[in-house]
Amino acid sequence: GAVVSQHPSWVICKSGTSVKIECRSLDFQATTMFWYRQFPKQSLMLMATSNEGSKATYEQGVEKDKFLINHASLTLSTLTVTSAHPEDSSFYICSARENLGANVLTFGAGSRLTVL
Amino acid sequence: QKEVEQDPGPLSVPEGAIVSLNCTYSNSAFQYFMWYRQYSRKGPELLMYTYSSGNKEDGRFTAQVDKSSKYISLFIRDSQPSDSATYLCAMRTGNQFYFGTGTSLTVIP
Repeated sequence: GAVVSQHPSWVICKSGTSVKIECRSLDFQATTMFWYRQFPKQSLMLMATSNEGSKATYEQGVEKDKFLINHASLTLSTLTVTSAHPEDSSFYICSARENLGANVLTFGAGSRLTVL
Repeated sequence: QKEVEQDPGPLSVPEGAIVSLNCTYSNSAFQYFMWYRQYSRKGPELLMYTYSSGNKEDGRFTAQVDKSSKYISLFIRDSQPSDSATYLCAMRTGNQFYFGTGTSLTVIP
């Protein structure tokens, strides 16, 4: 089945630095990828929808200058948390949809970000 | 009203019990219904997905959809400690996916 690889799985950084998280579809081309944020014991919160070759669509309340999303190829989307602060500490998860007709999402394993 | 409602639990059952997890929804445009399992600090993994009303079985898991009542269920037979996880229901219409809050399940040996 479809596999999505997310890297790094765990990152600690100092406040003010930027962190990049990669999401790769390993055995399929993903025209659409989604980025979620998840707080402890809470559900997935959609941050943005990333479409290959075009600008990401951000959900209301998500700062696009803070969370930069790039989907430069059909197998790779990146999320960069710029000038990270402790309140950005969270579990970030990407998911991919194989094509517009795909009925399900495949998720990456998630990336836990801790900002000191 | 949320698009998808799911009781967060927590739900605790003894090993071997039958588990019933449920979600209700309000949007009749939802066409595809999914159940994901998420272990702690991991991404969700797809368990099952269904399209039409009725039952779909896969091993110990049965997914049930009742479109007339806007209600979906996941049944786990002969539950095992390894089933302890959070179970998320999800629904799709067009390019939009909607998730429940997840139900935390613990199966006690």
